[in-house]
Amino acid sequence: GIQVEQSPPDLILQEGANSTLRCNFSDSVNNLQWFHQNPWGQLINLFYIPSGTKQNGRLSATTVATERYSLLYISSSQTTDSGVYFCAVEQYDYKLSFGAGTTVTVRA
Amino acid sequence: KAGVTQTPRYLIKTRGQQVTLSCSPISGHRSVSWYQQTPGQGLQFLFEYFSETQRNKGNFPGRFSGRQFSNSRSEMNVSTLELGDSALYLCASQGEEDYTFGSGTRLTVV
Repeated sequence: GIQVEQSPPDLILQEGANSTLRCNFSDSVNNLQWFHQNPWGQLINLFYIPSGTKQNGRLSATTVATERYSLLYISSSQTTDSGVYFCAVEQYDYKLSFGAGTTVTVRA
Repeated sequence: KAGVTQTPRYLIKTRGQQVTLSCSPISGHRSVSWYQQTPGQGLQFLFEYFSETQRNKGNFPGRFSGRQFSNSRSEMNVSTLELGDSALYLCASQGEEDYTFGSGTRLTVV
């Protein structure tokens, strides 16, 4: 099956710093999403981005499908940005394959 | 609009028992999928249903089963519970493009 690798596994930031999370995938996909898992376990949908670039406030994402990677940018980080960020992909088979996640800790 | 609703939120069961979890998708969504999250294995796909038909199934033993009703609500059942079944079970609803997840059911097997 498809392999999804996220880096770095852990990220510690000072409040106000910028960061980049990366997701590499091993085959072509029809769907790529970024999620933030809140402390209660719910996966919050950040971006649906199988290709191209999108921005939502302090967050933005870029997917280069031909090179099989996606980047999530967090600017001016806040303590509320802490949590685990997951990249997930789909290959026309009605299931998401997840990476192992990046744990982000933002310190005040 | 209402999101994806999973019940119950928390559950404690004894080894050998069975359990049924419920998921109501976003209104109008006909696809429902289930995922298991554990610290050791991460997020793994269990199965997906569309209009009462299972279209894909993950690599889980036959003790894990599911179904979908005509109103798109879905249930998953785990029989003969084992300690390793302790996990967060997440349900997702899919419309035209993206997946939306519920808050999950945290199952503890003792």
